[in-house]
Amino acid sequence: EPEVTQTPSHQVTQMGQEVILRCVPISNHLYFYWYRQILGQKVEFLVSFYNNEISEKSEIFDDQFSVERPDGSNFTLKIRSTKLEDSAMYFCASSDGGPVLTFGAGSRLTVL
Amino acid sequence: AQSVTQLGSHVSVSEGALVLLRCNYSSSVPPYLFWYVQYPNQGLQLLLKYTTGATLVKGINGFEAEFKKSETSFHLTKPSAHMSDAAEYFCAVSGPSGGYNKLIFGAGTRLAVHP
Repeated sequence: EPEVTQTPSHQVTQMGQEVILRCVPISNHLYFYWYRQILGQKVEFLVSFYNNEISEKSEIFDDQFSVERPDGSNFTLKIRSTKLEDSAMYFCASSDGGPVLTFGAGSRLTVL
Repeated sequence: AQSVTQLGSHVSVSEGALVLLRCNYSSSVPPYLFWYVQYPNQGLQLLLKYTTGATLVKGINGFEAEFKKSETSFHLTKPSAHMSDAAEYFCAVSGPSGGYNKLIFGAGTRLAVHP
């Protein structure tokens, strides 16, 4: 069964460092998403991406965050200067435009 | 704005007992409704969904949920719990005000199954 692949599974970084989280969506999907889950809290929407541009973003997704589809297969989330409160599990998801999103296993980010 | 409330952050049942996980939503128009499951150290896996049509929907692993518009609920049930059902379960909604491609999640319910 097709799946969404995320790397790394866990990353530890120092506050202020840049982090890039990578995702390989399902190959025929055109809609891509990032969600995050701070430990013990809800899964929250960050951003959606379609046709090489952001289609929607939440208030969490400030100037420190950016997304990119650098080639035909990868979808990345960059955090420019990490803060302690960026520590969370980050989930990538993709869809074919229908209501069902397929999620990856997540990338756990720990900011020290 | 749409929101989802899951009653009970932790539910514990005996193996073989009925599983009932509660989910209520707020939306002025019936949204799309989903249950996702997260096993330890894994991602979010779709259990089942309601979009249109039959209000009782069946999902994987013997789970089912019923959309009740009058109660704005979408509770998840399974007649007989198995040890392998221990996981965190998330109810989610998407729909008119938030967009059908953007999921709003509940806080999650951690299900424990004991022998």
